[in-house]
Amino acid sequence: EVQLLESGGDLVQPGGSLRLSCAASGFTFSIYAMTWVRQAPGKGLEWVSTIGTNDDTYYADSVKGRFTISRDNSRNTLYLQVNGLRAEDTAVYFCAKSLVVDGRGYFDYWGQGTLVTVSS
Amino acid sequence: DIQMTQSPSSLSASVGDRVTITCRASQGITNYLAWFQQKPGKAPKSLIYGASSLQSGVPSRFSGSGSGTDFTLTISSLQPEDFATYYCQQYISYPLTFGGGTKIEI
Repeated sequence: EVQLLESGGDLVQPGGSLRLSCAASGFTFSIYAMTWVRQAPGKGLEWVSTIGTNDDTYYADSVKGRFTISRDNSRNTLYLQVNGLRAEDTAVYFCAKSLVVDGRGYFDYWGQGTLVTVSS
Repeated sequence: DIQMTQSPSSLSASVGDRVTITCRASQGITNYLAWFQQKPGKAPKSLIYGASSLQSGVPSRFSGSGSGTDFTLTISSLQPEDFATYYCQQYISYPLTFGGGTKIEI
């Protein structure tokens, strides 16, 4: 059974940093791209960042230069280093596993999310 | 960036109703379109990928159609557990983008 368990969310002051983690199990982590998606309170879903199997990375413009996605295949864990946090980064952060079909990856499994609150 | 526009943003329906949600992409995405269901306080759940392929375990009352820029999600007979918010998402190119969501209410 595929399981994704996020952790690391917290209340942090503007300008602060956090490292979010997503522990994966139930599948061969190293052969799948992984993604972070966030959802601000009462709002819709927003793609944040994706890391491919070759460590190729992609970022939304809103987080580029402040967030860094990485993975540790030996620990089956996905990370998101978030720096320079702003109030608008307040959200639940979900990790998602990508399954490639016809050359493109869609999100077939999601974790339960971890809440990041940015406030003074 | 590809903009995804869903309509309606909300709708009221009853158990047993046939419900259709539309999603329009600002440019052609062939069939790289997914649909997700989200209940309050829960993670999104994958329903459909490739515009019309049902994710394993998803009931057959859910179906998707469309190609290019116009897509639909249909629930043939609404069940109590289907009251939720539904999102479309394109995955043909970065940045990946979601529609604004459609909330189905009783």
